[in-house]
Amino acid sequence: EAQVTQNPRYLITVTGKKLTVTCSQNMNHEYMSWYRQDPGLGLRQIYYSMNVEVTDKGDVPEGYKVSRKEKRNFPLILESPSPNQTSLYFCASSLKGGANYEQYFGPGTRLTVT
Amino acid sequence: AQSVTQLDSQVPVFEEAPVELRCNYSSSVSVYLFWYVQYPNQGLQLLLKYLSGSTLVKGINGFEAEFNKSQTSFHLRKPSVHISDTAEYFCAVSEAGGFKTIFGAGTRLFVKA
Repeated sequence: EAQVTQNPRYLITVTGKKLTVTCSQNMNHEYMSWYRQDPGLGLRQIYYSMNVEVTDKGDVPEGYKVSRKEKRNFPLILESPSPNQTSLYFCASSLKGGANYEQYFGPGTRLTVT
Repeated sequence: AQSVTQLDSQVPVFEEAPVELRCNYSSSVSVYLFWYVQYPNQGLQLLLKYLSGSTLVKGINGFEAEFNKSQTSFHLRKPSVHISDTAEYFCAVSEAGGFKTIFGAGTRLFVKA
């Protein structure tokens, strides 16, 4: 089954404790992206990757890092999480990076930072 | 820069009634427009998209949307809703030929029996 998977689905952590949220897709997509969803703000893009070893900042990159060493994986790293990073996070992928390509979303990771 | 405004944060409606979810956008260039649906505890799923051509776009689950360039709108409609349509709906815009998608704040549709 073609899908985007994220792990973990739920995470509660404390301020300053480094964490990684994994994202993997099995559709051989070139483009991958991370969003955060907050009430009343919709989805905002954190980082995106046009292909392996090519990443760039989205609208809200502060406090996050990403890497794209393999085509299928695009982990999101929070080196020192803070309470304002409490949010619902979605990974997405599409065949290529153009806006006309449909994005496929993972099920989401709900992160709480205390 | 593009922006998207979804005019209603919540829309309650009775089952089998028609519904319209409103979306306005702003952009100085040609755009692609999208509607996504998010069912509870799930990721977003594409409902329909407008890239070019006919301004009336039909999507999955009986939804359709009309691109109105003069009013910069892309409202989503369904003639008769079901309980299972209860979800959050997101309008999104991209610059034609670009790479970035801007999402609206979302509209929660509640379908009541």
